[in-house]
Amino acid sequence: KAGVTQTPRYLIKTRGQQVTLSCSPISGHRSVSWYQQTPGQGLQFLFEYFSETQRNKGNFPGRFSGRQFSNSRSEMNVSTLELGDSALYLCASSPGAYVSSTDTQYFGPGTRLTVL
Amino acid sequence: DQQVKQNSPSLSVQEGRISILNCDYTNSMFDYFLWYKKYPAEGPTFLISISSIKDKNEDGRFTVFLNKSAKHLSLHIVPSQPGDSAVYFCAASGKGRNAGNNRKLIWGLGTSLAVNP
Repeated sequence: KAGVTQTPRYLIKTRGQQVTLSCSPISGHRSVSWYQQTPGQGLQFLFEYFSETQRNKGNFPGRFSGRQFSNSRSEMNVSTLELGDSALYLCASSPGAYVSSTDTQYFGPGTRLTVL
Repeated sequence: DQQVKQNSPSLSVQEGRISILNCDYTNSMFDYFLWYKKYPAEGPTFLISISSIKDKNEDGRFTVFLNKSAKHLSLHIVPSQPGDSAVYFCAASGKGRNAGNNRKLIWGLGTSLAVNP
C-alpha cells in the first residue's frame, strides 16, 4: 500500500497570505489528523477528521481550518499567515475504527511551511 | 499544561548499550500509550505501544514498561544501534465521556537519542 502523501513538501509564504496543504491518507483509512511541529512545542494536535466530519479539535485559532472529502483526502488551510506559523505540518491517517483504542497513526513526510 | 512529559530533551549512548527513554503523564484517564520514532525530514513512525492493562510489552530490541501508580513509562532499546539515532516521541490517549472521542493523542516534546559507534 502506498503511504500517506502530503503536498507540497516545502512552501514559502509571506505574512498575511493564506495557504492550503493537502494530505492523501493510506487507502482504506478514514481518519485523518493534522499536527503542527515546531522545535520548542513538539507535536501539537490541530484537528482530526473522520468520514468528512471534524471529530476532534486542538487549541488553535480559527485561522486554522480543515476539511475532508468523500475519498478521505484532507486539506488544511491557514489564513492570514503569521511568522509563528512557520513549522512542519504533519498529516496522519488511521483506519478510524470508532471505538477502538488502537490509535496507531501513520504519518506522511510533512509540509515544511516557512512564513517570511 | 503538558499532560505528557519527556523531561530529557536528549540522550547519548554507546552502541551496544541500553538506551532508556522516559515519559511521565498526568492524566489518569490515559489508557493507551505509544512510542514513535522520527528521523529528520520524515514523519514519525510507530514503534511500539502498550495498553494500561499491561505493564510490559516487548518487540524485538524494544520494550516498553508501564508503571501506572507512578504514571510513568519507559522505552528500553537493547542493544542500541547507530540507526536508532532519532527523536523519540511518547504519546498517550484515553477514553473521553464519549467513546468516539478517544482518538485524540497527546504527545510529549520528544527525546533526541544519539547512539555513538
